[in-house]
Amino acid sequence: EADIYQTPRYLVIGTGKKITLECSQTMGHDKMYWYQQDPGMELHLIHYSYGVNSTEKGDLSSESTVSRIRTEHFPLTLESARPSHTSQYLCASSEVGGRAEEQYFGPGTRLTVT
Amino acid sequence: GQQLNQSPQSMFIQEGEDVSMNCTSSSIFNTWLWYKQDPGEGPVLLIALYKAGELTSNGRLTAQFGITRKDSFLNISASIPSDVGIYFCAGYPGGPGNTGKLIFGQGTTLQVKP
Repeated sequence: EADIYQTPRYLVIGTGKKITLECSQTMGHDKMYWYQQDPGMELHLIHYSYGVNSTEKGDLSSESTVSRIRTEHFPLTLESARPSHTSQYLCASSEVGGRAEEQYFGPGTRLTVT
Repeated sequence: GQQLNQSPQSMFIQEGEDVSMNCTSSSIFNTWLWYKQDPGEGPVLLIALYKAGELTSNGRLTAQFGITRKDSFLNISASIPSDVGIYFCAGYPGGPGNTGKLIFGQGTTLQVKP
């Protein structure tokens, strides 16, 4: 079944730790996105990619970095987690052409930095 | 930058009632999308609108793309408890403001009393 997956779903980690949030999709989509969302608030784009070896920063400044080595995989890394990074991180994907505007989201990773 | 104003911010209604929410902008949009987000999950795409004036239904949900291209509304008929969640409008700006990035509204939190 075509889907988009995020792991872990929940992560509690101490300040200064390096973390990687995983995102994979089996929908064959070329475009992938990372959003940051505080509880009950709007979504803010922090990174996006239009294909392999393509990554761009979004509208909200973020200390995280991303990579796109494989079409289906778009991990997000924080080199040194801080309490200000506590938030929900949502990964999404969309196709190129056709209904390219329709973004499909994963279940999210809720990150808490203590 | 482009902004979407979504209202109301929250609604508390009785089961069986109809619900209406809308998004407006001072700029034109080429595409409108409506998402629902359950607590702790990622947004799920409900309806996508591509043409000014378009009216589209998905079960008890109906959404319209405003003829001015600056607004959209979502109606839910005969609400049920599982309609509870946060509803987000989103759109792709048109004209010179088109950055190719999806813009999200602030969300409408819906609570349904059985």
